Amino acid sequence: DTAVSQTPKYLVTQMGNDKSIKCEQNLGHDTMYWYKQDSKKFLKIMFSYNNKELIINETVPNRFSPKSPDKAHLNLHINSLELGDSAVYFCASSQDLADTSTNEKLFFGSGTQLSVL
Amino acid sequence: AQKVTQAQTEISVVEKEDVTLDCVYETRDTTYYLFWYKQPPSGELVFLIRRNSFDEQNEISGRYSWNFQKSTSSFNFTITASQVVDSAVYFCALSEAWTGFQKLVFGTGTRLLVSP
Repeated sequence: DTAVSQTPKYLVTQMGNDKSIKCEQNLGHDTMYWYKQDSKKFLKIMFSYNNKELIINETVPNRFSPKSPDKAHLNLHINSLELGDSAVYFCASSQDLADTSTNEKLFFGSGTQLSVL
Repeated sequence: AQKVTQAQTEISVVEKEDVTLDCVYETRDTTYYLFWYKQPPSGELVFLIRRNSFDEQNEISGRYSWNFQKSTSSFNFTITASQVVDSAVYFCALSEAWTGFQKLVFGTGTRLLVSP
């Protein structure tokens, strides 16, 4: 069973369209994330949710709206897609690191390659 | 502010050579976590190691070893007797403890090419 699964793996779409990427984790983790990896392989956090509450929003445009129906799911909806949105988007999950005695790590999904034409 | 620098953009070695990937970090926090992730050509991100700032003990796991030096703010990664399967992009990352959650700041990655 895949720990963090995201769909679709590839997404090709036209500028101006609205699209969603789904993410699910079966690890029982409290926290989920979206990271963006650009064409130069640079990875940057976009959002973090803990128990369905938004915790981190790294100055991402309003066109990006994460939605967490429950703590096992964190979907990413993107409105009015632009060329610059082309990237690989990674979903991830972890236990709450506030408990620093745990030796937790971030589990990543396999990524969704978004191409905006 | 936190920052992670991986000055080596790409390294090419021949199989069985040892190779060290450098990582230098900046943080004002006294409690932080350092990570290495591997991204093979298939694209997924594979966790390799996490180290907290209070544990400067070096770690060895098979052919992999890590050298954490707080004095130089470095967390270098060495692969001994490299293999073709080690070819990947390797990312060093930092997380400050005060964030409570894993807000990882990644370096720009080092692409390792191991040829037969």
